Amino acid sequence: AQTVTQSQPEMSVQEAETVTLSCTYDTSESDYYLFWYKQPPSRQMILVIRQEAYKQQNATENRFSVNFQKAAKSFSLKISDSQLGDAAMYFCAYRSARWGEKLTFGTGTRLTIIP
Amino acid sequence: DVKVTQSSRYLVKRTGEKVFLECVQDMDHENMFWYRQDPGLGLRLIYFSYDVKMKEKGDIPEGYSVSREKKERFSLILESASTNQTSMYLCASSLPGRGPNQPQHFGDGTRLSIL
Repeated sequence: AQTVTQSQPEMSVQEAETVTLSCTYDTSESDYYLFWYKQPPSRQMILVIRQEAYKQQNATENRFSVNFQKAAKSFSLKISDSQLGDAAMYFCAYRSARWGEKLTFGTGTRLTIIP
Repeated sequence: DVKVTQSSRYLVKRTGEKVFLECVQDMDHENMFWYRQDPGLGLRLIYFSYDVKMKEKGDIPEGYSVSREKKERFSLILESASTNQTSMYLCASSLPGRGPNQPQHFGDGTRLSIL
């Protein structure tokens, strides 16, 4: 079974600075998808960024980018120019390309933005 | 925009009661999911459904059942609520497909307390 590990329960960053959230996963599959979701205090989970395992290029969405290291099974999220609205729980998630639609989530990292 | 609506934001029930959590999506998605979210454990899949009247067990189905009589509605049922089922419950929906371009869309969650 696949597992997703987020080793940082909490992180904080100064407003306008850059922060990196780490995520590692364990799988024997070669084709899969990885996601970062954000859950603000309003509670709704919002998709931040997605990555296909067979694409070597790291995904980028505005201030959010990933560092995908397939051999190391690492999928970290970098947030540049941090804003107060970035404060949230961030969840890393894995989905097999072969075995259906199920997502496996990590335990989350709570990000605090310091004004 | 996809809208996933959970019927209650907060719910308080008593031990032994039969509890229904309702979820409705408005985008004609085939897939629907119920997760449970607990601090330090992330999101764990309870049940999911690929189509009307279809259901599959997730990682923690014990003590729960589900119903999907119509495509847009997916209900989670706690047959006899217990205090260890106090948690945040999240519903999600998605289109079927092999790529990452059919992400799961989440509702705002129901915070359920069993007294």
